[in-house]
Amino acid sequence: NAGVTQTPKFRVLKTGQSMTLLCAQDMNHEYMYWYRQDPGMGLRLIHYSVGEGTTAKGEVPDGYNVSRLKKQNFLLGLESAAPSQTSVYFCASNTVEGGYTFGSGTRLTVV
Amino acid sequence: LAKTTQPISMDSYEGQEVNITCSHNNIATNDYITWYQQFPSQGPRFIIQGYKTKVTNEVASLFIPADRKSSTLSLPRVSLSDTAVYYCLVADSMDTGRRALTFGSGTRLQVQP
Repeated sequence: NAGVTQTPKFRVLKTGQSMTLLCAQDMNHEYMYWYRQDPGMGLRLIHYSVGEGTTAKGEVPDGYNVSRLKKQNFLLGLESAAPSQTSVYFCASNTVEGGYTFGSGTRLTVV
Repeated sequence: LAKTTQPISMDSYEGQEVNITCSHNNIATNDYITWYQQFPSQGPRFIIQGYKTKVTNEVASLFIPADRKSSTLSLPRVSLSDTAVYYCLVADSMDTGRRALTFGSGTRLQVQP
């Protein structure tokens, strides 16, 4: 029972580089979400998915893309990283009736 | 979207009861109120959820008055390990019935010995 697993846990990128963050859940949840959290701030929704093959934009989607090819996985991509994307990224999943289960986060630094 | 307002920070001592109040004046009929707890360097953790009146679980109680324009999270006999940020959220019902939660800045609770 791993819950929500995020990989990698830490990453340093140079400006302009690309990378993909992976989120995997083993709870058969329909809905999955990507949030970012800047120091001392709350979480802001980047993108979310209500099921396999579907994605939608959240509050701060610019500079990010996502894919949900399999129900258990939700990928967050940065095509050309910028210093403003330095943050902690959290993935979460839930069912329509239940509370969110969050991963432990990915700390990304863009230099 | 129902916006929430909660205190930025609170201080307490071990063994005391802590009540954190959240205002959500524009809550919609179908919205639920949910509270999360977040420790440093960790993702938020679901604490409790309610629609009206009172909900209690092994961790906390949630009090919601009849007008539902506010809610109070009650933590009985806090310990040092309850030091965390607490988020009050109101479920945002999307067109298809989904709920994509909007997190504010939360309330930073500091428990002293």
